[in-house]
Amino acid sequence: DVKVTQSSRYLVKRTGEKVFLECVQDMDHENMFWYRQDPGLGLRLIYFSYDVKMKEKGDIPEGYSVSREKKERFSLILESASTNQTSMYLCASSPGTLTTQPQHFGDGTRLSIL
Amino acid sequence: GNSVTQMEGPVTLSEEAFLTINCTYTATGYPSLFWYVQYPGEGLQLLLKATKADDKGSNKGFEATYRKETTSFHLEKGSVQVSDSAVYFCALKTGANNLFFGTGTRLTVIP
Repeated sequence: DVKVTQSSRYLVKRTGEKVFLECVQDMDHENMFWYRQDPGLGLRLIYFSYDVKMKEKGDIPEGYSVSREKKERFSLILESASTNQTSMYLCASSPGTLTTQPQHFGDGTRLSIL
Repeated sequence: GNSVTQMEGPVTLSEEAFLTINCTYTATGYPSLFWYVQYPGEGLQLLLKATKADDKGSNKGFEATYRKETTSFHLEKGSVQVSDSAVYFCALKTGANNLFFGTGTRLTVIP
């Protein structure tokens, strides 16, 4: 089974801090994704990466950056955390380029910015 | 453009009742369709998928049929259990990376 592991289930940070969310997958997938999930808004794509050191903006990249130095690891960075970034963050990965292949998700990180 | 519309929740059912969660989509090209489930406090798990018209995806007693003529992918289960209480997301994929989600439908099953 595919395993996508997010480093923290719950995280509390303060406004203005630099925050790192880490995600690791164990299936040698090319593609990795970061979403945020908010009530009534569903999942929104922040950034994705289709290869090491490659990244693409999703629907809501403002206030975030990402890093993919190794194929198995994809980090989401909040450069200067703000209260409106309090949310559930979900990492996902998928293999290859076929439309038929689903994304596999981690358990999520619930981030609170105080 | 691409979009997914799910029925508004929440849905509350008694144990052993029949479940339908409606999902319709708008897409360019030939999308694959997915249902994901999110149990309380967890991430999303793939429940089932269908990759072409008239395909039926099934898993854990849940079924959904890819209906191109009605652009629908409704989720059904004949007899729900308390353990099925979760949020269900319909999603479509049109390329390597583009996964579009509905807003989710919360299901609560009471004994």
